[in-house]
Amino acid sequence: NAGVTQTPKFQVLKTGQSMTLQCAQDMNHNSMYWYRQDPGMGLRLIYYSASEGTTDKGEVPNGYNVSRLNKREFSLRLESAAPSQTSVYFCASTRLNTGELFFGEGSRLTVL
Amino acid sequence: QKEVEQNSGPLSVPEGAIASLNCTYSDRGSQSFFWYRQYSGKSPELIMFIYSNGDKEDGRFTAQLNKASQYVSLLIRDSQPSDSATYLCAVTSGNQFYFGTGTSLTVIP
Repeated sequence: NAGVTQTPKFQVLKTGQSMTLQCAQDMNHNSMYWYRQDPGMGLRLIYYSASEGTTDKGEVPNGYNVSRLNKREFSLRLESAAPSQTSVYFCASTRLNTGELFFGEGSRLTVL
Repeated sequence: QKEVEQNSGPLSVPEGAIASLNCTYSDRGSQSFFWYRQYSGKSPELIMFIYSNGDKEDGRFTAQLNKASQYVSLLIRDSQPSDSATYLCAVTSGNQFYFGTGTSLTVIP
């Protein structure tokens, strides 16, 4: 049982480059989330998708876009990467009636 | 802005002692409360959740919730070196999960 799978695990970008972080879950969860984690800042919500076909902004959405491709997949795109987007990104999912968030292993992104 | 506050620590306790971790939250409408453990370089993993006022025990862990005071805590009894990690408090409001910045715990053998 894979749970939540994120790719890539590591990525180095130059300022202005674009990239997409992929996330897929095999637990038939309705809701999916993208967080970033920075030292001293905790986990901050970028975007979430409460159900297939819907997406909403979280606390720090600027510079990001998302796509809920289907129930399994939720991607995060950086159109023009900036050094301030250097962070560890976590995808998570939940079936709301239990409330537990299941996390992927994280994607470490460095923007030079 | 919904806020979740934790003492960042570091908190150090000797092996076998009780570790007490605290969390306050700003949104009175918060519905569910979670404690996650995160080892360095790893993703968060759920330790406990609590929905109702009072205590909830699971092995060496006890979660305590006081909605009137907007306070949730985690007690770890008989602390072990393997408990050394960062502990994240999370609360839900609607479909969103809000996290504190975490408390770093070190258990000294």
